[in-house]
Amino acid sequence: DTAVSQTPKYLVTQMGNDKSIKCEQNLGHDTMYWYKQDSKKFLKIMFSYNNKELIINETVPNRFSPKSPDKAHLNLHINSLELGDSAVYFCASSRDRGGSSYNSPLHFGNGTRLTVT
Amino acid sequence: GIQVEQSPPDLILQEGANSTLRCNFSDSVNNLQWFHQNPWGQLINLFYIPSGTKQNGRLSATTVATERYSLLYISSSQTTDSGVYFCAVGNYGGATNKLIFGTGTLLAVQP
Repeated sequence: DTAVSQTPKYLVTQMGNDKSIKCEQNLGHDTMYWYKQDSKKFLKIMFSYNNKELIINETVPNRFSPKSPDKAHLNLHINSLELGDSAVYFCASSRDRGGSSYNSPLHFGNGTRLTVT
Repeated sequence: GIQVEQSPPDLILQEGANSTLRCNFSDSVNNLQWFHQNPWGQLINLFYIPSGTKQNGRLSATTVATERYSLLYISSSQTTDSGVYFCAVGNYGGATNKLIFGTGTLLAVQP
């Protein structure tokens, strides 16, 4: 059983297009995340939702819009794609916000490799 | 914000060798995790270890929070251990309410 699943695995599209990436977790976790991994393998958080509430919104262009219809799903929509958006996007989840009294390992999906041409 | 440094940046081992990867961080943390990204790109959580020592098979990790470092030990390395190892830290409820990732250690285990 896949714990955190995201689709599609690969996404090749042209500049200016709009695309979405979907993520679902079946772990019963309260918190979900989007991370971006660049060509140098650097991982950076983009957004985080806790029980459908946006709790982390990093300095990301407003062309990126996350949506969480329920706590098991977190989708990422990207408008007007640019060459610089090419990267691997990872969805992740954890049991809670990660407070010091909780054991909250982060579980990642397998990533979506986005290529903008 | 918290700075996270990992060393060494690259490491080549012969199968069967042992290794130690280090993660230094610049501020207090209450969340520290180690991840392995395999050559297929999958990110696997190895340890949640804000303090103390844990072991899982050939892998073990130790975090000394007061001295702001964590170590990941790999014993009797195998080719399947190849990939990038990331340390990530956070201080929830404090100044850094998210996980900050280090730049990783790229490990290649040769047969």
